[in-house]
Amino acid sequence: AQSVTQPDIHITVSEGASLELRCNYSYGATPYLFWYVQSPGQGLQLLLKYFSGDTLVQGIKGFEAEFKRSQSSFNLRKPSVHWSDAAEYFCAVGTNFGNEKLTFGTGTRLTIIP
Amino acid sequence: NAGVTQTPKFRILKIGQSMTLQCAQDMNHNYMYWYRQDPGMGLKLIYYSVGAGITDKGEVPNGYNVSRSTTEDFPLRLELAAPSQTSVYFCASGQGITFAAEAFFGQGTRLTVV
Repeated sequence: AQSVTQPDIHITVSEGASLELRCNYSYGATPYLFWYVQSPGQGLQLLLKYFSGDTLVQGIKGFEAEFKRSQSSFNLRKPSVHWSDAAEYFCAVGTNFGNEKLTFGTGTRLTIIP
Repeated sequence: NAGVTQTPKFRILKIGQSMTLQCAQDMNHNYMYWYRQDPGMGLKLIYYSVGAGITDKGEVPNGYNVSRSTTEDFPLRLELAAPSQTSVYFCASGQGITFAAEAFFGQGTRLTVV
């Protein structure tokens, strides 16, 4: 069975600083990987996804993520954060083979300080 | 475009009561999912459906039931509410992982069992 680990429960960064959120997955085959963002009181919105091809993927709101098979990682990055980026971020792994569903990590809460 | 609509947004139940959380999508998606979100635990899959008439258990199905009589609707039933079911419930829909498709989430239902 697949699993996702987000080792950082809470991260605080200054506005304008760079950001990296960590995600490690466990899955026997090539994974489908996603990053979602959840603003307070809202549902989840897709930031970006990786299925195949270029291991550096670009998403919305200036985010990017890099798939590293050797490290089983899919870390999310942003060069310069904005106060509006404060939210909770979830990494997820998807599987197919007839039981298509997403398995989520426990999330990382991002706080932005002025 | 409504997307995924969940009702109600908030509900307080007494122990032993039953209720149905409604979920409807207007995107003609085959796949629909129910997740629960607890603090620090991320999202756990309760049930999912790959099409009308087909449902399957997720990670935490105990105490819940679902049905999928139409493509649009995927209600979640709690028969005998327990305090452990206090959570935020999210419904999602999508075209399926294999189609490189994202899952679209509703705004959530906050349920408290007292």
